[in-house]
Amino acid sequence: LAKTTQPISMDSYEGQEVNITCSHNNIATNDYITWYQQFPSQGPRFIIQGYKTKVTNEVASLFIPADRKSSTLSLPRVSLSDTAVYYCLVGDGDTGRRALTFGSGTRLQVQP
Amino acid sequence: GAVVSQHPSWVICKSGTSVKIECRSLDFQATTMFWYRQFPKQSLMLMATSNEGSKATYEQGVEKDKFLINHASLTLSTLTVTSAHPEDSSFYICSASQDSAEAFFGQGTRLTVV
Repeated sequence: LAKTTQPISMDSYEGQEVNITCSHNNIATNDYITWYQQFPSQGPRFIIQGYKTKVTNEVASLFIPADRKSSTLSLPRVSLSDTAVYYCLVGDGDTGRRALTFGSGTRLQVQP
Repeated sequence: GAVVSQHPSWVICKSGTSVKIECRSLDFQATTMFWYRQFPKQSLMLMATSNEGSKATYEQGVEKDKFLINHASLTLSTLTVTSAHPEDSSFYICSASQDSAEAFFGQGTRLTVV
């Protein structure tokens, strides 16, 4: 499985856009990039998944450059409730098919 | 999305006793469920893969006789921590999938052994 590297923590203020970058230099051709969010004392929650270029949903955007060796999760206009740990995972696009390997994640703290 | 429910949400037990944690898929059938453990400020670590009607597959370093997993039906998997000790105190999380496309996680169970 491709190893991922993310910043350990990030700080932001309400209303700002937050971009969290994940490095995955050894990503395989068939691998997808999936991001999860985890609040304290809760299980992870799926945010977004992509293979290349840009993916957008009601929660976030995911930017993937052509070489796919990194990806950036973009959270527009964060609020206090976005304070959480964000995990970048690389692997089979069908995340339910296999056990997931979570890296260290990025702890996002949103200040008022 | 599909709902995966864990029970209890938190439990405190005495050292040496056993604790059972349930993981249920409420609105779908799950052939496979996964059990993870998460220590404070750390990431999720896979403990075992639970397959309905067969023995669980444990990750290296996880004692199968201490962490008993039973997956008796397509909607229920249980994790029993036997002879619990303070070092077993952790956050236990299960996940399940309906059609393998997406994994859904339970809300987790915080176990504290005193």
